[in-house]
Amino acid sequence: EVQLVESGGGLVQPGGSLRLSCATSGFTFSSCEFHWVRQAPGKGLEWISYIGIRGSTIYYADSVKGRFTISRDNRKNSLYLQMNSLGADDTAIYYCARDSTTPYGDIDYWGQGTLVTVSS
Amino acid sequence: SYELTQPPSVSVSPGQTASITCSGEKLGDKNTCWYQQKPGQSPVLVVYQDTKRPSGIPERFSGSNSGNTATLTISGSQAMDEADYYCQAWDSSVLWVFGGGTKLTVL
Repeated sequence: EVQLVESGGGLVQPGGSLRLSCATSGFTFSSCEFHWVRQAPGKGLEWISYIGIRGSTIYYADSVKGRFTISRDNRKNSLYLQMNSLGADDTAIYYCARDSTTPYGDIDYWGQGTLVTVSS
Repeated sequence: SYELTQPPSVSVSPGQTASITCSGEKLGDKNTCWYQQKPGQSPVLVVYQDTKRPSGIPERFSGSNSGNTATLTISGSQAMDEADYYCQAWDSSVLWVFGGGTKLTVL
């Protein structure tokens, strides 16, 4: 069974940092591409970052570029998101998600999400 | 930046057909997919590559994409289909973009 389990969310002060982790199982992690997608309370989905199989191809949404860093550890079957200079607009549920094996940009599995709250 | 526009809400009677649209410039030239999200749950892929259904998704879900509009159609809507639906487009220039979401009410 494919599983993606996020952790690391919580309450952080404005300007602070947080590192999210996503532990995966049930498939060959090193053969897959991944995303982070977030959802502010009561709002829609926002794609924020992508990482390719070897970690050399990375993309970010403009809203997080320069502040967030995506990475992966193929030995630990894990995905990460380092978030710096956090602001209130970053308050959201953060989902780790697997890019499907098709070359069409769809996402076939999502984690349950971890809530990040930026507040003083 | 590229934008996708969805109606905020759509209502349908049980057993009827619901259509949810997603509009964007030259959207028909891009790959689109649709996700269903129920309250408190993670999104679930229901249509990919414009028209294809993942394994386990009921046949009543179908998609189309042409011109500037992609459409998710739910034939014979059921109460269990009540959810938020998000379109998503991808190509090498716009990367991954989500629509604002549509709340489907079945009543």
